[in-house]
Amino acid sequence: SAVISQKPSRDICQRGTSLTIQCQVDSQVTMMFWYRQQPGQSLTLIATANQGSEATYESGFVIDKFPISRPNLTFSTLTVSNMSPEDSSIYLCSTRQDPNQPQHFGDGTRLSIL
Amino acid sequence: EDQVTQSPEALRLQEGESSSLNCSYTVSGLRGLFWYRQDPGKGPEFLFTLYSAGEEKEKERLKATLTKKESFLHITAPKPEDSATYLCAVQKYSGAGSYQLTFGKGTKLSVIP
Repeated sequence: SAVISQKPSRDICQRGTSLTIQCQVDSQVTMMFWYRQQPGQSLTLIATANQGSEATYESGFVIDKFPISRPNLTFSTLTVSNMSPEDSSIYLCSTRQDPNQPQHFGDGTRLSIL
Repeated sequence: EDQVTQSPEALRLQEGESSSLNCSYTVSGLRGLFWYRQDPGKGPEFLFTLYSAGEEKEKERLKATLTKKESFLHITAPKPEDSATYLCAVQKYSGAGSYQLTFGKGTKLSVIP
């Protein structure tokens, strides 16, 4: 399976600032996903980012708050904009080669907002 | 609305004490059920995919089974290294060639030596 690297692994940010999380994959993948994992909650899909098309956002998530880039088949970024303490969470990148294969995950970015 | 409920939330076992984790689901048009293992500070690690009722998959001390309403993850003679959070997810077709996963909250398993 693909090796997925996320940067940064953790960060502490000030309220009102923005942070860009990078996701690098060691092989070309068609489908990339961004998830949020809050304490005691299930993984929640933020958006799907397929190369060559605009990201598709799930209900409750908007592009202005979570802009995503997918410049090629091995890289994506998620920006968390105008952060508030409610954005404190783990953000996970996930990839999938095709619908018949399972999704694989990076180790996540642990984000704390002061 | 699709729902995935995992029970128990936490399970504490003695080494060698076998048990089962449950994942009950309601989803229209199930296209697969996934089990993942998540260690602290790590992302979920894929374990199994089950597609149809009656299907079983095994890996070392783990065996996953599927019915029309739930899945079980059986752990036989667990070891301390099996301690982790186990996540269940159901997949359905979401249109335009895409499939979407809905995750449960997980079961935190602790195996005591």
